[in-house]
Amino acid sequence: EMQLMESGGGLVQPGGSLRLSCAASRFTFSSYEINWVRQAPGKGLEWVSYINPSGTIIYYADSVKGRFTISRDNAKNSLYLQMNSLRAEDTALYYCARELMFGDGAFDLWGQGTMVTVSS
Amino acid sequence: SYKLTQPPSVSVSPGQTASITCSGDKSGDSYVSWYQQKPGQSPVLVIYQDTTRPSGIPERFSGSNSGNTATLTISETQAMDEADYYCQAWDSSTYVVFGGGTKLTVL
Repeated sequence: EMQLMESGGGLVQPGGSLRLSCAASRFTFSSYEINWVRQAPGKGLEWVSYINPSGTIIYYADSVKGRFTISRDNAKNSLYLQMNSLRAEDTALYYCARELMFGDGAFDLWGQGTMVTVSS
Repeated sequence: SYKLTQPPSVSVSPGQTASITCSGDKSGDSYVSWYQQKPGQSPVLVIYQDTTRPSGIPERFSGSNSGNTATLTISETQAMDEADYYCQAWDSSTYVVFGGGTKLTVL
């Protein structure tokens, strides 16, 4: 079964840093566009960042631009999110989500999420 | 920035039809996708490209998009359909945008 599995979440103080990882399995990771999406406790979905298959095209939500960096290592079937200058409002469950090929931006495969809590 | 607006909640009786709307700032420029999320679970894609169901999604789920409003319709609603539903679209300036979500209650 195709799978995405996030890791790296935890408790961090405001202003701190954290690096999330997303491991892909049983599909050709290098062929797919991937996104990070987050969900604050009890709230809706918020898109965070996008990366194309080669890692040459990257987009960020305004709320994280300049603080977060998305990257990927296709040889390791892995996606990353480096999060710096973390704020309380970054507290959320972070999902990696694969875009459906030729699906016009639809996300057809999601991980189970990793929780990030920013608190002193 | 591009925004998608959904009603916070919709209620439906079992066996009846539920409709969830998603209104955008712009008229029909982008395909809309829909996701179902049950408590404690990751979102699941139920409709993409406005009207297409992924494999494994029941036929009772359908979508439409006209003008600046997309609609997710669930026919013969079942108790298992009770969940939060989110619409999503791409925009050239905002990139990916989600609606605020709609809680579907099957009474």
